[in-house]
Amino acid sequence: GEDVEQSLFLSVREGDSSVINCTYTDSSSTYLYWYKQEPGAGLQLLTYIFSNMDMKQDQRLTVLLNKKDKHLSLRIADTQTGDSAIYFCAESNRYSGGGADGLTFGKGTHLIIQP
Amino acid sequence: GAVVSQHPSRVICKSGTSVKIECRSLDFQATTMFWYRQFPKQSLMLMATSNEGSKATYEQGVEKDKFLINHASLTLSTLTVTSAHPEDSSFYICSARPHTYNEQFFGPGTRLTVL
Repeated sequence: GEDVEQSLFLSVREGDSSVINCTYTDSSSTYLYWYKQEPGAGLQLLTYIFSNMDMKQDQRLTVLLNKKDKHLSLRIADTQTGDSAIYFCAESNRYSGGGADGLTFGKGTHLIIQP
Repeated sequence: GAVVSQHPSRVICKSGTSVKIECRSLDFQATTMFWYRQFPKQSLMLMATSNEGSKATYEQGVEKDKFLINHASLTLSTLTVTSAHPEDSSFYICSARPHTYNEQFFGPGTRLTVL
C-alpha cells in the first residue's frame, strides 16, 4: 500500500535553515503537501506542490520534489521559535469527481528550535 | 476564510454507548469531507470519504457499521461511533474540501475517550 516516511525529530538553531525530508512510495501521487500542527491546534496547510513541478517557493518556505526518487523536502529559511511544531508530509491522488483525494500522511517531524 | 469546526472537542463515554461527532464548514460549501483518526504519536489515518448526498466510501479495515458517516448537507458531516469500546479511544479529525479544490481544510479534532 501507500507509504509516506519522515524522520521523527529535527533540531536546528534559531536563525538557521531547517530542511525536513519525506519519501513516498505511491508513484501515482498527484499532489504533495506539507502541514504544520502546533500543540492543541488543528492542521494548518503550509503549501502543496503538483507532481509535475520540481520546486515551489513561498516566502520563507521552499519545497523541492524529486519525482524520480519520490523525495520531497521542505526548507524553512531563518527558522524562528514560532516555527516549532510537528510538520506532516502528505500525498494524494486526483479524485474522480475532481480535486484531490483523501490524504496519506507521514508520522510527522518534530521541529525543535534551539536558542 | 476556510474554517472548519468540530463538536465536541472532547468527549468521555462509557463502553457500549454511541457518540456523535459533528464537522462543519463555516464559510464555504464542502462537497467532500474526510474523516481521519490519529493515535498518540502516530500519523493521521484516513477512515472514510463522504460526499454530500451519497454514501461514504470507507478505507480498507474500517468497519462501516461501527463508524456511521452522514453528509446530509454541504456544510455538515457527522461521524457516529456506535457501541464504543476502549480501543476506539482516539483523536478524530475531519477535513472539508470545496468542489474540485486540491486543498483540504482541517477541523481542530475531537478527543474521544471510552471508559
